[in-house]
Amino acid sequence: KNQVEQSPQSLIILEGKNCTLQCNYTVSPFSNLRWYKQDTGRGPVSLTIMTFSENTKSNGRYTATLDADTKQSSLHITASQLSDSASYICVVSAEPGGGADGLTFGKGTHLIIQP
Amino acid sequence: DVKVTQSSRYLVKRTGEKVFLECVQDMDHENMFWYRQDPGLGLRLIYFSYDVKMKEKGDIPEGYSVSREKKERFSLILESASTNQTSMYLCASSLMGDGNQPQHFGDGTRLSIL
Repeated sequence: KNQVEQSPQSLIILEGKNCTLQCNYTVSPFSNLRWYKQDTGRGPVSLTIMTFSENTKSNGRYTATLDADTKQSSLHITASQLSDSASYICVVSAEPGGGADGLTFGKGTHLIIQP
Repeated sequence: DVKVTQSSRYLVKRTGEKVFLECVQDMDHENMFWYRQDPGLGLRLIYFSYDVKMKEKGDIPEGYSVSREKKERFSLILESASTNQTSMYLCASSLMGDGNQPQHFGDGTRLSIL
């Protein structure tokens, strides 16, 4: 069964600090891995999408890494801001079907940035 | 910017009622999806659609149906609402393509069934 496990479940850090969120998956075959940010009361917003051949991708202060051999990904947030407080969801896409229906969602990491 | 609009942010209905949740996207996306999101369970796919009048069951379709009469609109129907359908419902859309297209989500409808 395809699974996506995220850790930690929740995390509290001080404003300005860096943090790293983890995502391990057992989805096979692999098409791409996505990170989404979900603010409280809002829908998820795409941060990055990485395919098999990409091992790092940045979006501003967010940097995602992918190790397809070990089936692990991380999302690193640099110089955290209060607006980074949100849930971060890892999603892995399996072939065939690509992004349409072959998606497995992690349960998310709830990040709180304290002033 | 892609906009996915869900008709209601909050909705309260009674057990046994027929409930309609509406979703509209403005970017001519082929794919549309309905998810529910529950604490500790993450997002679960209810139904999705690749094109007008087409629909496919997701992981938890029981008790739900969908309608896609126009490309921009995807409706979720709870045929006879039950308390275990109290949840956050999220609609999403994406381009058909190479499978590497991001999903664009609406802000959700928080549905309470009393």
